[in-house]
Formats: sequence, C-alpha cells, structure tokens
Amino acid sequence: DVQLTQSPSSLSASVGDRVTITCRASQSISLYLNWYQQKPGKAPKLLIYGASSLQSGVPSRFSGSGSATDFTLIISTLQTDDFATYFCQQSYSLPLTFGGGTKVEIK
Amino acid sequence: EVQLVESGGGLIQPGGSLRLSCAASGFTFSAYTMNWVRQAPGKGLEWISYISPSSSTIRYADSVKGRFTISRDNAKNSLFLEMNSLRAEDTALYYCAKKRSGDEFDYWGQGTLVTVSS
Repeated sequence: DVQLTQSPSSLSASVGDRVTITCRASQSISLYLNWYQQKPGKAPKLLIYGASSLQSGVPSRFSGSGSATDFTLIISTLQTDDFATYFCQQSYSLPLTFGGGTKVEIK
Repeated sequence: EVQLVESGGGLIQPGGSLRLSCAASGFTFSAYTMNWVRQAPGKGLEWISYISPSSSTIRYADSVKGRFTISRDNAKNSLFLEMNSLRAEDTALYYCAKKRSGDEFDYWGQGTLVTVSS
C-alpha cells in the first residue's frame, strides 16, 4: 500500500499568511496526488487533482505542485474561510489512501 | 446540482449487519464509478470500496473484503453498501463519493454514521 505522510499535522497561521503543506508518498506515484479540504461536520471538498490541477470553482490562491514522492499544497494568502483540515490522497494504486491530515488553525 | 444523500446508518451490535444507501441526483449516475469512504470519529479518511458504472469492476480495501458488498441500481440512481460481521473498528461516518476522471472524488455526500457497539 502507498503510505502518505503529511506535515505538519497542524499549524497556526494568520489571515494573509502564505501556508505550505507537504505530502510525502512511500513510493513514486507520478502525478496521482489529490488534495481535499474538510471543515468540521462537513464532507471533504476536492481542491487539487493530478498534483497541480485546480478543481472547478476553487479559488486560485490554492495551488499544488510536486511529482513522484514529494508534493506541496500552497495557500498563497490565507483567508478566514481556509481554516480547516487538509488531506492528500493518492490515486496511483489500490487501495486508494489518504494522508493523516493537516489542521490549519487561527493564530 | 450534484447531490449525494446517504442513509441507513445507526447503532448496531458487533457481528450485526447493516445496509447503507446513497441516493444520487444532478448527474448521469450510470456513467460514473462510485465509492464508499469512511472516517472514524476524529480520525482520517479511509477508502473502502468502488464500483464501476456497469458494476463490472468492484474493488475493496482489505479491511472490509469478505464482509462488505458494494452494489448499485442505475435505474434508481442508487448506490448501496451491505455490511456484515460488523466490528467496533467499523464505527465511522460513511460517505459515498463520485469519482471524477481519475480516482479522485469530486462530490461527496454528507455521510451516515455507523456505530458498532454492544
């Protein structure tokens, strides 16, 4: 199984900050890496697919990069609405797996 | 507007069975692979199963293989998960999720809670 390790597991940031979340895969997964945002009591929302493609309707302050084993989600200018937990997910091989999550909290 | 609405969750004793349903609307259900993903309370996400549009391809996570059965009724725009031999570790919020083009999930339901406890 492909293991995904996210870091950090949590972070505190202020509105306007640039936030970087990383996801490392236990083996090469090419560009088969997706990012989701989840708010308390809500279902996850797809932000980025294929490592760097922005899902329709997602603000452009979100961006993704990386390939093989190392991936990054960047929020360029953190907004109030962005305080949430972020998960990466690999779609390279079964079983589909998720990272442990990164909780973005208000500083 | 795409909508996925799960139902069927509840409190069940260990060893019991439960059938979850997911009613889909707002898209051509019969054209898309559908998935079940669960989330234990306060924990991360775990993919557990998918079914192709014609039901010809079905896959399961090892944690549920042999105990859970996924199925769909394209005429009724519905997805199902039959859960048998339930264990405490199956306690979770169960989401149905639509596959986009790759194996990413572009729409999710609100989830239905399954609690396995005596």
